[in-house]
Amino acid sequence: KQEVTQIPAALSVPEGENLVLNCSFTDSAIYNLQWFRQDPGKGLTSLLLIQSSQREQTSGRLNASLDKSSGRSTLYIAASQPGDSATYLCAVEWRSQGNLIFGKGTKLSVKP
Amino acid sequence: DVKVTQSSRYLVKRTGEKVFLECVQDMDHENMFWYRQDPGLGLRLIYFSYDVKMKEKGDIPEGYSVSREKKERFSLILESASTNQTSMYLCASCRGPYLSNQPQHFGDGTRLSIL
Repeated sequence: KQEVTQIPAALSVPEGENLVLNCSFTDSAIYNLQWFRQDPGKGLTSLLLIQSSQREQTSGRLNASLDKSSGRSTLYIAASQPGDSATYLCAVEWRSQGNLIFGKGTKLSVKP
Repeated sequence: DVKVTQSSRYLVKRTGEKVFLECVQDMDHENMFWYRQDPGLGLRLIYFSYDVKMKEKGDIPEGYSVSREKKERFSLILESASTNQTSMYLCASCRGPYLSNQPQHFGDGTRLSIL
């Protein structure tokens, strides 16, 4: 069964820290991997999409990497700010599935 | 910017009612999706559509149906609402074709309570 796991479920850091969020997935035959942000009571905002042929993507202070062979992705956030506080979701699209399977997310809290 | 609009932010209905959730996108996207999000279970796909009048079952289609008569609009229908359908419902869209390597864009969600 294709699954996406995110550990830890929650993370609290002081402002200014660099941090890494983890995502792991079963079955390396992925089509792409996507990272989203969700603020409380809101929908999801797309942050980064990494295609299966890519190793990483960057947007501002965010960098996402992909290692298909080990079934892992990381989202690196540089110089964290209180405004980064949200739940971060990882989702994988497999070639055989054709739609996104989501992890349960990591709830990030950045303290001023 | 892509705009995905869900018709209601909050909705309260009674068991047995037929419930319609509406979603409209303004970017001429081919693909549209309905998810539900529950604590501890995460997001789960109910139905998706990759073209007008086309629909495909997701992981949890039981008790739901969908309609896509126009490209910009995707409706989720609860045929006979039950309390276990109380949830946050999220609509999303993305550019096609199927398996397109395009990010999904989400609406703000409808929090539905069935009493």
